Amino acid sequence: SYELTQPPSVSVSPGQTARITCSGDALPKRYAYWYQQKSGQAPVLLIYEDSERPSGIPERFSGSTSGTMATLTISGAQVDDEADYYCYSTDSGTTPAFGGGTKLTVL
Amino acid sequence: QITLKESGPMLVKPTQTLTLTCTFSGFSLSTSAVGVAWIRQPPGKALEWLALIYGSDDKRYSSGLRSRLSITKNTSKNHVVLTMTNMDPVDTGTYYCAHWVPQQQLDYWGQGTLITVSS
Repeated sequence: SYELTQPPSVSVSPGQTARITCSGDALPKRYAYWYQQKSGQAPVLLIYEDSERPSGIPERFSGSTSGTMATLTISGAQVDDEADYYCYSTDSGTTPAFGGGTKLTVL
Repeated sequence: QITLKESGPMLVKPTQTLTLTCTFSGFSLSTSAVGVAWIRQPPGKALEWLALIYGSDDKRYSSGLRSRLSITKNTSKNHVVLTMTNMDPVDTGTYYCAHWVPQQQLDYWGQGTLITVSS
């Protein structure tokens, strides 16, 4: 099965830039997607097709990829950005996969 | 406005079959360019993709759970039903349904429903 690997946790101070990584063998040829999940809530799509933002998502959220790694960047992180973040991708012939999730702490 | 809502029993016993319904509005599940997926999340753990049904009625299943899952749709009622057989306590978690499109994938999610498997 297809696996995506994320760091369990990332911590930044308010106003700093947070970077959350996601590694997967198929990422050079498959898109990465990013979801934000606040405590007790359903996930929300933040980034699709590596770097596109849905309408309503603040510009401080951005996505990029390089080789087998996708990165979610939160510029000027806010306390309200504290959440779990999941990457997601697909690979031909395999079950779509979520990463293990990264808990972002902003304090 | 696209909305989805999951419904089902809060509690199921081990070995029983779970039946979940996703009731949606704001789109029609009638073309291959639209689908509804199911995703679950054990307490404190990561999201897990389960199944997807396209408007064309094509279906995809998690390779690890394929033998236990069935997904169907009722286009006229705007329902998608997921059944999972032989439930086990490890299947306890929140089950979500989500709207799927090729470009944005899982772009709208339901609120989720917590399913507990216990005798």
